[in-house]
Amino acid sequence: QKEVEQDPGPLSVPEGAIVSLNCTYSNSAFQYFMWYRQYSRKGPELLMYTYSSGNKEDGRFTAQVDKSSKYISLFIRDSQPSDSATYLCAMRATGYQKVTFGIGTKLQVIP
Amino acid sequence: DVKVTQSSRYLVKRTGEKVFLECVQDMDHENMFWYRQDPGLGLRLIYFSYDVKMKEKGDIPEGYSVSREKKERFSLILESASTNQTSMYLCASSMGGRQETQYFGPGTRLLVL
Repeated sequence: QKEVEQDPGPLSVPEGAIVSLNCTYSNSAFQYFMWYRQYSRKGPELLMYTYSSGNKEDGRFTAQVDKSSKYISLFIRDSQPSDSATYLCAMRATGYQKVTFGIGTKLQVIP
Repeated sequence: DVKVTQSSRYLVKRTGEKVFLECVQDMDHENMFWYRQDPGLGLRLIYFSYDVKMKEKGDIPEGYSVSREKKERFSLILESASTNQTSMYLCASSMGGRQETQYFGPGTRLLVL
């Protein structure tokens, strides 16, 4: 079993839809959770960063962490064609530099 | 803004050639990382460095070596390129400590013929 599981998609939604992207993990030591967005043929860029459990909101993006279920989510409201990209979840344990990444979910927002 | 640059966007090499991929960051970050990204396999850590002249093996170090002579520069070396090293190579850097957010470069697409 992989430490981090993420559905690779692809996920196609109409413009304006609410998108839900998810990852599950098995390592209970993970404390830091990140979402990266990667456009085609580009490097990943940090989108959201959360520590431990709870929610964090930034504009149209909301990140949720449920440590009891070992489940993290990224919600995108009012999705736009420019949101079409691959979204990678990432996480790490306290005291470790190594970050474990999900495989990435490819999202397409149809105009 | 953090800037991580990589020496080439696209590279074509022949089997057996020695290949150098260079990465430079401009934010005085302690840690630097090299990953490769392949369809269906995601990002896999090759090597990382937490200080000048220090290096640690990642998950897939075989066939690779690294060099970090200056804090801002981290090089990935393929001693004898093979076709199974055709991939997207991504460099990242991070400040270190609690704020261990990694910032990525644009990537180098390497094709080994």
